[in-house]
Amino acid sequence: DAGVTQSPTHLIKTRGQQVTLRCSPISGHKSVSWYQQVLGQGPQFIFQYYEKEERGRGNFPDRFSARQFPNYSSELNVNALLLGDSALYLCASSLRTGPDTQYFGPGTRLTVL
Amino acid sequence: AQTVTQSQPEMSVQEAETVTLSCTYDTSESDYYLFWYKQPPSRQMILVIRQEAYKQQNATENRFSVNFQKAAKSFSLKISDSQLGDAAMYFCALTAYGGATNKLIFGTGTLLAVQP
Repeated sequence: DAGVTQSPTHLIKTRGQQVTLRCSPISGHKSVSWYQQVLGQGPQFIFQYYEKEERGRGNFPDRFSARQFPNYSSELNVNALLLGDSALYLCASSLRTGPDTQYFGPGTRLTVL
Repeated sequence: AQTVTQSQPEMSVQEAETVTLSCTYDTSESDYYLFWYKQPPSRQMILVIRQEAYKQQNATENRFSVNFQKAAKSFSLKISDSQLGDAAMYFCALTAYGGATNKLIFGTGTLLAVQP
């Protein structure tokens, strides 16, 4: 079975631009979560979506938004990019929203110049 | 608030030896899971082992086992017969269901080096 997939693998943007990251969950998983991992730190929670509804949001500015589609894939959008947005963006999927195992994709490495 | 603390930034072990990585956590929830994830240089986050809080028996997965001390809120990972491929950053993580989200709270990680 295919695991969580993310695209693109790498991305280079300049300050002020906008970026869209994509994630496809494991087949049958209805929950998708997004995390930001700055180099040298643990991942920080950004969003969780379940059945196309936002179920949780971390301490990130409104420049960050996301959505989930009927096929449970998800997009993370970041507007007005700042240098500090440079990070590895990880997507994880799980079957449900209760305590459950989250499986991670390979991540998208975003560099903001 | 939920927190996860890993007090060992770096650890080293000889190949074939045993090493234990430490983790403490705090949560007011009664229903929660604890995890150890491994992140090699490729930065893919790989699940190592899971422990449900309601289970008294410590989880094991081949060479990996945990020591779950619920009252002390301690969750350590033991790696037996260490292999070169075990070298990676190891993150302890907690998820609880205190609301509508099952977000993961991660520790700061322990970088494990395996010496041949």
